[in-house]
Amino acid sequence: DAKTTQPTSMDCAEGRAANLPCNHSTISGNEYVYWYRQIHSQGPQYIIHGLKNNETNEMASLIITEDRKSSTLILPHATLRDTAVYYCIVSRRSGTASKLTFGTGTRLQVTL
Amino acid sequence: KAGVTQTPRYLIKTRGQQVTLSCSPISGHRSVSWYQQTPGQGLQFLFEYFSETQRNKGNFPGRFSGRQFSNSRSEMNVSTLELGDSALYLCASSLDLGDTQYFGPGTRLTVL
Repeated sequence: DAKTTQPTSMDCAEGRAANLPCNHSTISGNEYVYWYRQIHSQGPQYIIHGLKNNETNEMASLIITEDRKSSTLILPHATLRDTAVYYCIVSRRSGTASKLTFGTGTRLQVTL
Repeated sequence: KAGVTQTPRYLIKTRGQQVTLSCSPISGHRSVSWYQQTPGQGLQFLFEYFSETQRNKGNFPGRFSGRQFSNSRSEMNVSTLELGDSALYLCASSLDLGDTQYFGPGTRLTVL
């Protein structure tokens, strides 16, 4: 699976949009971009995933560049409860394996 | 629909003992994966089960083993516990191999 690069930490004011970047320059054509977040010592929470089109759900939006070498997770109106470590993961949706390779993620701190 | 459940949530063992952790996937999900999370190594993949068969295995010693039952519930076992096995053990389920994984709350194992 392709490796991802994320900033170690970011800050965001409550109510503002949080834009979390991820670089995955070695992504293959059949690899998806997944985002999970982990709030202190809880299990990772699935947020969103995409292949090449932009995606939006009730939690967030995922913007993938046309060359698919990078993506941005957008939390439109961050709240204190969005403070967490956010993981960007690239993985094949293969019918033979589901393994996720986690990096160190971005620690997002939402402040008043 | 109920999420992934893991039991017990907390466990304290001593070196040399063995431990069994249990995971009940989301109803209808057939694939179960296990991960270990430590401060030093982060989130690492242990193994994955589908249709009662191990389909994928991470780089862990043979002391770590698992199994899956016909109802898709899974257990993992760690024998001859070492201090370094202290970790948060996470279970994730997916509808099928390669599908989006949903994580449980984890079991916090402390080895004394």
